[in-house]
Amino acid sequence: AQSVTQLDSQVPVFEEAPVELRCNYSSSVSVYLFWYVQYPNQGLQLLLKYLSGSTLVESINGFEAEFNKSQTSFHLRKPSVHISDTAEYFCAVSQGGKLIFGQGTELSVKP
Amino acid sequence: EAGVAQSPRYKIIEKRQSVAFWCNPISGHATLYWYQQILGQGPKLLIQFQNNGVVDDSQLPKDRFSAERLKGVDSTLKIQPAKLEDSAVYLCASSLTGRVETQYFGPGTRLLVL
Repeated sequence: AQSVTQLDSQVPVFEEAPVELRCNYSSSVSVYLFWYVQYPNQGLQLLLKYLSGSTLVESINGFEAEFNKSQTSFHLRKPSVHISDTAEYFCAVSQGGKLIFGQGTELSVKP
Repeated sequence: EAGVAQSPRYKIIEKRQSVAFWCNPISGHATLYWYQQILGQGPKLLIQFQNNGVVDDSQLPKDRFSAERLKGVDSTLKIQPAKLEDSAVYLCASSLTGRVETQYFGPGTRLLVL
């Protein structure tokens, strides 16, 4: 069975600083990877996904993630964060159509 | 396009009571999921429906949890009797076909069992 590990439970950063949220998955033949974001008191929203093709995927709000097969990683990065990026971020892998989530990383952006 | 709807948003009950949650997926979505999200953890799949049939309920505690999607549209998740450890957010999600694709989540129902 697939599993996902998010290495940091909390990441505090200052506004306009770069950030990396780490995600590792258990290896498999075919891997489909997702990052979801959860703002306070809201449901999860898709941030970006890797299904195939280019290993670097981007979101509309400046986040990007790189699929690294050799390191079984799918780390999320943003070069300059905003206060509004404060949220919980979940990495997930698809297995048979269902999502298996990591435990989440709480990103806290301070002014 | 309307999103996934869930109700109620919050529920407080005492242990051994019963509770039900309702979910209405995005129109036209064949696949519906119920997840349990315990505080400090990622969501865990409880049950997956494809139209009105169950695809995966391997993680559903069937001695106390039940779910149905009778007409292949909206769905109800029930807990009877509730335990303290059932305190969590229950998330409903839907997707178009159930293959590898984006799942759309509702706002969740926050359950507190006292």
